[in-house]
Amino acid sequence: GAVVSQHPSWVICKSGTSVKIECRSLDFQATTMFWYRQFPKQSLMLMATSNEGSKATYEQGVEKDKFLINHASLTLSTLTVTSAHPEDSSFYICSANGGDKETQYFGPGTRLLVL
Amino acid sequence: EDQVTQSPEALRLQEGESSSLNCSYTVSGLRGLFWYRQDPGKGPEFLFTLYSAGEEKEKERLKATLTKKESFLHITAPKPEDSATYLCAVVGDSSYKLIFGSGTRLLVRP
Repeated sequence: GAVVSQHPSWVICKSGTSVKIECRSLDFQATTMFWYRQFPKQSLMLMATSNEGSKATYEQGVEKDKFLINHASLTLSTLTVTSAHPEDSSFYICSANGGDKETQYFGPGTRLLVL
Repeated sequence: EDQVTQSPEALRLQEGESSSLNCSYTVSGLRGLFWYRQDPGKGPEFLFTLYSAGEEKEKERLKATLTKKESFLHITAPKPEDSATYLCAVVGDSSYKLIFGSGTRLLVRP
């Protein structure tokens, strides 16, 4: 139980294009989903928190217009990296709160490389 | 300010050599302490949630314990497949956000 999927698992794109990453909770409903970014050999950095049907809450320093988050249903949240540039290359991971409301279950991550 | 410190940063064990990882925390009103395992290039895999001091949970070769100031992840007779980074995190009353430690990189040699 408590499985979270992400798609795609990796993506390579040209500078200036937009990339959409999907995060799904497969066997439970998640009212809250989280998006993280992780650089090599570093811990996870929270980018934003999204609640179903409402606007995402972004962490300080994260550009809202660069990283668009939509949480359209209780099982799906999307992160769109708009006009991606090489500095946006990173490992993006989503998570969702499970039934106990405190535990976060993580997706497998999406590796983004912007050329 | 909520804070999590993990030690050691890295640990090398021989297969079968039991050991413990430490997670010290400072949090206002602990709502949960979490252990995750992360393999290179993958998202964290959930291991345990502990809610109150004295609580213990086990899964295969792993056992997590909790006191008011720290948590231990005990690894009994580890195997090479236990090699990974182990992350500790807490959630407190002041925020719904996970506060992560920097992790312990475990290498188990055959």
